[in-house]
Amino acid sequence: EAQVTQNPRYLITVTGKKLTVTCSQNMNHEYMSWYRQDPGLGLRQIYYSMNVEVTDKGDVPEGYKVSRKEKRNFPLILESPSPNQTSLYFCASRYGTAGEQYFGPGTRLTVT
Amino acid sequence: AQTVTQSQPEMSVQEAETVTLSCTYDTSENNYYLFWYKQPPSRQMILVIRQEAYKQQNATENRFSVNFQKAAKSFSLKISDSQLGDTAMYFCAFMSPRGSQGNLIFGKGTKLSVKP
Repeated sequence: EAQVTQNPRYLITVTGKKLTVTCSQNMNHEYMSWYRQDPGLGLRQIYYSMNVEVTDKGDVPEGYKVSRKEKRNFPLILESPSPNQTSLYFCASRYGTAGEQYFGPGTRLTVT
Repeated sequence: AQTVTQSQPEMSVQEAETVTLSCTYDTSENNYYLFWYKQPPSRQMILVIRQEAYKQQNATENRFSVNFQKAAKSFSLKISDSQLGDTAMYFCAFMSPRGSQGNLIFGKGTKLSVKP
């Protein structure tokens, strides 16, 4: 089954404790991205990747890092989480520049 | 910069009736894509319908159809024969194939409640 998986689905952590949210897709998509969803703001892109070792900032990259060492994986790293990063996070992938975007199930992160 | 506006934060409809969700967008590009996504309480983002700007014909997927007015930059979603399972947040989104970012620009969403 074609899918995007994210782990963990829920995470509660404390300010400053480094964390990684993993994302993996099994569709051989070149393009992957991370979004955060906040009430009243819709989804906003954090980082994206066009292919292995090619990443770039989206609209709200501050406080986040990513890496793309393998085509299927695109982890999101929060080196020093802060409460304003409490949000719902989605990983997505697609083929090419205009293909359908497939979303992961979301990760609910709470930073206290 | 492109923007997407959904002017209805919440709407409700009786089961079996028809409802239309509004979306307007702003862009200077001629070729782009528009989408409606559904987000039920499970939080999963589900693609409902997609429209390519170069196609004049409005997209249709079963009970879901769009009214795409390119000149007016309007992209409304019509849900016919509403069902309880249609209760969800609905997001309108814009994407330009130009450039490497290929970012989906989302509106703030419309919360739709279908009442029995």
